[in-house]
Amino acid sequence: DAGVIQSPRHEVTEMGQEVTLRCKPISGHNSLFWYRQTMMRGLELLIYFNNNVPIDDSGMPEDRFSAKMPNASFSTLKIQPSEPRDSAVYFCASSFGASEQYFGPGTRLTVT
Amino acid sequence: AQSVTQLGSHVSVSEGALVLLRCNYSSSVPPYLFWYVQYPNQGLQLLLKYTTGATLVKGINGFEAEFKKSETSFHLTKPSAHMSDAAEYFCAVSENNQGGKLIFGQGTELSVKP
Repeated sequence: DAGVIQSPRHEVTEMGQEVTLRCKPISGHNSLFWYRQTMMRGLELLIYFNNNVPIDDSGMPEDRFSAKMPNASFSTLKIQPSEPRDSAVYFCASSFGASEQYFGPGTRLTVT
Repeated sequence: AQSVTQLGSHVSVSEGALVLLRCNYSSSVPPYLFWYVQYPNQGLQLLLKYTTGATLVKGINGFEAEFKKSETSFHLTKPSAHMSDAAEYFCAVSENNQGGKLIFGQGTELSVKP
């Protein structure tokens, strides 16, 4: 079975550019989570969706960040404009009901 | 509000020695508890979970954890460390046990010396 799929795996961009990260959850899962991981702040939940509806976006750091889930099999996390402090590894995870979350391999974002 | 505390950001053991990674939680509802492992440059992988029932939970790679309600703890153990166990380990508690978000601890990096 395919796990959570994230693309791209690595992204290098210049400050001010728009960045779009993509996630395909495991088929049949109804919750999707976006996390950010840095050395300084550890693992942070940015936003999560249940049945394609955003439930909690309190972790989204600024208005520069936005996330969408247009259907059950796809989600995007967009940063516009990007800044060097956004450099981090971004993980997507999915789950079904109260079961464990399955994590994707992550996207390593570098903003120069 | 729920929270998780992992005692010790770095733990070092010798190969073959006991591994003990500590996790304490606070929760206003019966908790669902999880341990995840993260190898370098990879995503998090579930080691084991406690939801209900037996308080001693066995997971992959020889790890196990015991839910102790009176101590609000969920410590992770492995009788004999292997070099391949070197990784970062995260303890987490489910916020509402209904598919909601997990609250993660800060992680413990495990080093295994030959």
